[in-house]
Formats: sequence, C-alpha cells, structure tokens
Amino acid sequence: SQQGEEDPQALSIQEGENATMNCSYKTSINNLQWYRQNSGRGLVHLILIRSNEREKHSGRLRVTLDTSKKSSSLLITASRAADTASYFCATDAGQAGTALIFGKGTTLSVSS
Amino acid sequence: DTAVSQTPKYLVTQMGNDKSIKCEQNLGHDTMYWYKQDSKKFLKIMFSYNNKELIINETVPNRFSPKSPDKAHLNLHINSLELGDSAVYFCASSQVSGRGELFFGEGSRLTVL
Repeated sequence: SQQGEEDPQALSIQEGENATMNCSYKTSINNLQWYRQNSGRGLVHLILIRSNEREKHSGRLRVTLDTSKKSSSLLITASRAADTASYFCATDAGQAGTALIFGKGTTLSVSS
Repeated sequence: DTAVSQTPKYLVTQMGNDKSIKCEQNLGHDTMYWYKQDSKKFLKIMFSYNNKELIINETVPNRFSPKSPDKAHLNLHINSLELGDSAVYFCASSQVSGRGELFFGEGSRLTVL
C-alpha cells in the first residue's frame, strides 16, 4: 500500500502561529495532494504538487515534496481559528484504474 | 449549485436492514468514487466508476453494490447491514480517473444499531 502517514496526529497552536504537518508515503507517485476536512463536512482540495516539483505556494499554504525521502510537508502560516480542521495528504500512482490513497490525517486546532 | 451532492446525510438503521445512498455530480466529470471514512477518520477507497464502468472494486464485502445509471450518478446499496458498516460514506468525482483533484460530497453518516 502506498498509504500516506501524517505526522503529528494532532496539533494545537495559537492564532498567528505557523502549523507544520508532515506526510510520508511508500511507493512512487505521480503527484501528491493536500485536503482539508472541517468537522462534519466533506474534504476540500487545497493544493497539488507534482513529483517533479519541490515546493509550491498557495496563499498562506506552502507545500514541499522530497521524493527521495518519500515525504511532504504542509505549512500553514499565520494560522487562524478558521484553519481548525483535519488535514490529509493523498497520493496517486498515475496509473489508470487507481484512486487517490489518503493518509490518516492531522487534526489541527487553532485557538484564539 | 452543489457540485457533488449525496443523500441522505444521515441514516440510522437496524442490523440486517438494506439501505441506499445516492450521489450526483454536476461537474461533467467522467469518474466517480465511493470512499468510507471510519471513526478514526481513515479514508478508504471502495469503488470507482469511469463513465458508468466499474474500474476499482477494493476488497469490499459483496453486500455493497454500487450502481452507476449514468456518468453523473453513482449510488451505493448496502444489504444486510452490520455494526461494522457504521461510518461516513463519501462520494467524490474527478475529471480524470485516478489523478487530479477530487471533489467530495458532504458525506452520508450511517449508524447501524
């Protein structure tokens, strides 16, 4: 299985601090994605990074990818209470007939 | 307009009953999926359809039967419900099978008593 593993499982920070979540996976990938899930809601796509990219930014989000270590990190800068959610990484092997494989998620709690 | 909508949002039922969850997407995507999220928030792929054709069928009990009447709809029927079926079931769609961004529905929380 190329299932990702997020680390830490849970993270509690204060508003304005940065939050860093890590993801490790097992097999070769085509791309890696990060999703957010608010409590009781569906997952929402945040950012996609391709296997030939090392870093990508989107607003307050910064994602890095190290294919040699099979790992990725998601940094949320200047966090807000509204960032409170679970964050999942997902990988795909780029093969037909496959689906995104999700990690176990990091639960982020941002207190004001 | 909701991109991926699934109904019902909540189901509470007794063991042994049969239930269905419906999903519709208005994004024009060719591929639709069912994922199961357990109490620890672990998401596992169950099925995937590409243009009405089943392309992924993970090791799911045959009590679960997906049906795709057209590429915009993917329904999930579950027979003889068991306690372990309690979970949140998510429908999702993507433009390309197996890659690219997934668009998720809001989930259907199934509780089997």
